Amino acid sequence: GESVGLHLPTLSVQEGDNSIINCAYSNSASDYFIWYKQESGKGPQFIIDIRSNMDKRQGQRVTVLLNKTVKHLSLQIAATQPGDSAVYFCARNTGNQFYFGTGTSLTVIP
Amino acid sequence: DVKVTQSSRYLVKRTGEKVFLECVQDMDHENMFWYRQDPGLGLRLIYFSYDVKMKEKGDIPEGYSVSREKKERFSLILESASTNQTSMYLCASSFTGGSGNTIYFGEGSWLTVV
Repeated sequence: GESVGLHLPTLSVQEGDNSIINCAYSNSASDYFIWYKQESGKGPQFIIDIRSNMDKRQGQRVTVLLNKTVKHLSLQIAATQPGDSAVYFCARNTGNQFYFGTGTSLTVIP
Repeated sequence: DVKVTQSSRYLVKRTGEKVFLECVQDMDHENMFWYRQDPGLGLRLIYFSYDVKMKEKGDIPEGYSVSREKKERFSLILESASTNQTSMYLCASSFTGGSGNTIYFGEGSWLTVV
């Protein structure tokens, strides 16, 4: 069936280091993947997206990598800052359907 | 800038009360969604609507109903609130069809049922 998951529920990194958050999916018919950031007490915010015909997409300090062979998606945050502390989760979109991972809680240690 | 607005951020209601959660989007999106989010369970879809006056059950519709009388507005109704409906409720919207649709969320409504 359709599923999206995340590898680690929590991740701690030193300020200034790079962070890598991973996500796996089970269905090969996905067209589009999205990463969200959710700060405490707030709704999820769009960070970056990638279509299934791409392997990599870069934004400001963030990069998303898509490995369709192993059905794996990762979010890389460069030079992690305290403001990056949040829960990050991936989502898949196929048509009008959205499937969400449960999230990785990122803590940035000053 | 995209905007999904949930009118109530924090509510405390008594068991058995009728509760209305309102959501408005300004992006002319066809699809609107209501999710609840609980620790360790992620986002669970309650209901969604792909057009005015249309609705579809999600994964956990029991105890909830919805109303979509206008394209921009989607309401979640708890007919008789129970303590197990204490949760954070998220409204979202997206364009319809095809692929590559991003879903945008509101800031959430924290409901406590006592």
